[in-house]
Amino acid sequence: NAGVMQNPRHLVRRRGQEARLRCSPMKGHSHVYWYRQLPEEGLKFMVYLQKENIIDESGMPKERFSAEFPKEGPSILRIQQVVRGDSAAYFCASSPRRPARRNTQYFGPGTRLLVL
Amino acid sequence: SQQGEEDPQALSIQEGENATMNCSYKTSINNLQWYRQNSGRGLVHLILIRSNEREKHSGRLRVTLDTSKKSSSLLITASRAADTASYFCATGLTGTASKLTFGTGTRLQVTL
Repeated sequence: NAGVMQNPRHLVRRRGQEARLRCSPMKGHSHVYWYRQLPEEGLKFMVYLQKENIIDESGMPKERFSAEFPKEGPSILRIQQVVRGDSAAYFCASSPRRPARRNTQYFGPGTRLLVL
Repeated sequence: SQQGEEDPQALSIQEGENATMNCSYKTSINNLQWYRQNSGRGLVHLILIRSNEREKHSGRLRVTLDTSKKSSSLLITASRAADTASYFCATGLTGTASKLTFGTGTRLQVTL
């Protein structure tokens, strides 16, 4: 049973370009979470999605950032017109169909975005 | 402000010693979890303790939770060099079945 998969693992973009980060949850998981980690800091929640629905986007910046989790295919975190401050590690996590009080989230290896 | 605060920020011990890390939080929680992150890697789930539990064990790990003090501790016994990593506590808040709120982490260095 493959774990959470993210690609690419490393992504370099120039200021103003778009970054697309992909996340495939664990088999049988339909809940996906995106977190951002700045250097030497903890993870900060960005968005929580279920298939075709955004459930909680309270951690998403108001502009340039968007996320989706289509019926088929991976979840996508899109950052438009990237700036140097977007440089960070972006982690995806997934949890089972019916999150209970356990709410264990399984994390992918992350995508490290570097904006030049 | 950050929901979870780990203490200490950094800890250096010798192999075989015990390592204790503490975490404090501010609001009511459903559960508290500890994760490990090796340098430049993803997070590995270590242990989850529910708000109605006080102590939990898993191998060399022992976690305690004191909801009256809004604090938790992670004890790693008989540490090994392979335990070198950053350790984060994360809280699942009451009323939200979704997001985890992470602390800033404790960087543990275990030397031979």
